[in-house]
Amino acid sequence: DSGVTQTPKHLITATGQRVTLRCSPRSGDLSVYWYQQSLDQGLQFLIQYYNGEERAKGNILERFSAQQFPDLHSELNLSSLELGDSALYFCASSNGYEQYFGPGTRLTVT
Amino acid sequence: AQSVTQPDIHITVSEGASLELRCNYSYGATPYLFWYVQSPGQGLQLLLKYFSGDTLVQGIKGFEAEFKRSQSSFNLRKPSVHWSDAAEYFCAFLTGGYQKVTFGIGTKLQVIP
Repeated sequence: DSGVTQTPKHLITATGQRVTLRCSPRSGDLSVYWYQQSLDQGLQFLIQYYNGEERAKGNILERFSAQQFPDLHSELNLSSLELGDSALYFCASSNGYEQYFGPGTRLTVT
Repeated sequence: AQSVTQPDIHITVSEGASLELRCNYSYGATPYLFWYVQSPGQGLQLLLKYFSGDTLVQGIKGFEAEFKRSQSSFNLRKPSVHWSDAAEYFCAFLTGGYQKVTFGIGTKLQVIP
């Protein structure tokens, strides 16, 4: 158990809808990272937050957004969902150089 | 461009045999290097890391990795594989001031009796 929690574990929704994925970092970790893992793209870095502020952006679509709240939990919002957004979404947290991953949210868009 | 290459997408080994998973990186300096393991339906677990110092690093579950600067490699090894080691293994490196991690495509390990 990494200490990082993600909810929900599974999510099934229709195209065009919007969903919110939630992540709670390990106690004391200020950084939160979001990743998307799909069969064709592998593990892709989406975005990083540090203590509430956006720090780095990766391959994140404009339809996706994230934020980190004062209690350090983070949410990833995915809107206007397309079939191709079906993937595993991981959150990781860190207080240094090592990242600790949550169990992921499996999103299925039908 | 910064990248991580894992040349072997799929490897099959017999239980008890030795294992080496290859990883090469492309970066202007020595990055921080990691190996992660992902079991089916699970998140990624950190196996080991290299930041500096001794180029042979020990990790959890009996794994070790050796950093070779001249070859830009960070190969993962285990002397004797167990059936429970069947999983996907990702090499990764950390670059930049914002701790961006770049992952390789992963190597799926199958262990046969």
